[in-house]
Amino acid sequence: QSVLTQPPSASGTPGQRVAISCSGSTSNIGSNYVYWYQHLPGTAPKLLIYRNDQRPSGVPDRFSGSKSGTSASLAISGLRSEDEGDYYCAAWDNSLTGLWVFGGGTKLTVL
Amino acid sequence: QVQLQESGPGLVKPSETLSLTCTVSGGSISNGGYYWSWIRHHPGKGLEWIGYISYSGSAYLNPALRSRVIISVDTSKNQFSLELSSVTAADTAVYYCARVDSSNIGGFDYWGQGSLVTVSS
Repeated sequence: QSVLTQPPSASGTPGQRVAISCSGSTSNIGSNYVYWYQHLPGTAPKLLIYRNDQRPSGVPDRFSGSKSGTSASLAISGLRSEDEGDYYCAAWDNSLTGLWVFGGGTKLTVL
Repeated sequence: QVQLQESGPGLVKPSETLSLTCTVSGGSISNGGYYWSWIRHHPGKGLEWIGYISYSGSAYLNPALRSRVIISVDTSKNQFSLELSSVTAADTAVYYCARVDSSNIGGFDYWGQGSLVTVSS
């Protein structure tokens, strides 16, 4: 059971917009930044969004992040076949001595 | 471009110690502002942070694994390592090393490809 809750799957057709949610609590998302990672088959995980809504250099603006309270969301617009893969959210959690926590991952299928 | 590469045995016997090394290229592990991390992915489950270490050797560990984990750094080889003791089948996972850019991005900005470790007799 992951600390952050994501839907196990999401899907869309090419060109569509899809959103993936990530739900946490006051000790993680509610008080710290949210990060999103893309994990495509056979590759290393890649940072997509940092500090809630910032894109690293090289990440297309089709990818956007937002956060409200103890929840966050990753939106992908203009869906492309190469976007198919797993997406994870992450945040620092202030409980105990502190630790990074992740979502269970959302498998995105491009139909 | 920073690159990380995990290495180590793919099969470990129950009760033994899992040992992995991450070799960093394209940048010095001694540069400040970064933490060098281990993360694992259990089959069919989410990611789990194991811990990370600074170039000076300050380690921060997941409380759930702290009693079994040692993370160390060798700046002369530009490597950092993971030791997980008393392993069981529950430790079977893909193990990733990653860098945390603590001064700018704040998250894991570079990852290795991952190393599958199976715990079995």
